[in-house]
Amino acid sequence: EDQVTQSPEALRLQEGESSSLNCSYTVSGLRGLFWYRQDPGKGPEFLFTLYSAGEEKEKERLKATLTKKESFLHITAPKPEDSATYLCAVQGVAGANNLFFGTGTRLTVIP
Amino acid sequence: DADVTQTPRNRITKTGKRIMLECSQTKGHDRMYWYRQDPGLGLRLIYYSFDVKDINKGEISDGYSVSRQAQAKFSLSLESAIPNQTALYFCATSSKAVSTDTQYFGPGTRLTVL
Repeated sequence: EDQVTQSPEALRLQEGESSSLNCSYTVSGLRGLFWYRQDPGKGPEFLFTLYSAGEEKEKERLKATLTKKESFLHITAPKPEDSATYLCAVQGVAGANNLFFGTGTRLTVIP
Repeated sequence: DADVTQTPRNRITKTGKRIMLECSQTKGHDRMYWYRQDPGLGLRLIYYSFDVKDINKGEISDGYSVSRQAQAKFSLSLESAIPNQTALYFCATSSKAVSTDTQYFGPGTRLTVL
């Protein structure tokens, strides 16, 4: 069964203090691993898709990496506007086309 | 204007009432999905549709039904709402034509069943 575990559940950082969020996954054949950002009361906003181990993608202060068992979302010199919940999801090659989500990491960046 | 819209944004109803949540998209995508989000559980798939004539059950379809009225419209119905259907509901779309098949989400509907 597909499974996604995100850690930590919550993270508080000072502005400028870099850190990483973890997404561990189990899937029978990875089609893609997705990172989304979700602000309170809003829908998830797409950030990245990763397809194979070793792949990396960057967007502003965010960098996502992928291994065969986990993905990291690195946040470099975060700003208060980076505060949000970050969701990881996997899509397997078997079965439906749906995304299987983790429960997210709630990030708070303090000025 | 938003590419994926959901109506209503908030709804409070009573146990036993029939409720319909609507989703419209202007992205031109062929695939549409309904998810629910509960605290501590993450998003879970209710139903999905790959085109107007293709409807499929997801992980938690019991108590729900859907209708794909057109390529751009996908509705979720609760025939007889119950309190444990209180949740955030999200519609999402994706395109078979795009290899990544990335899903894009609407703003959500907050449903409370008393």
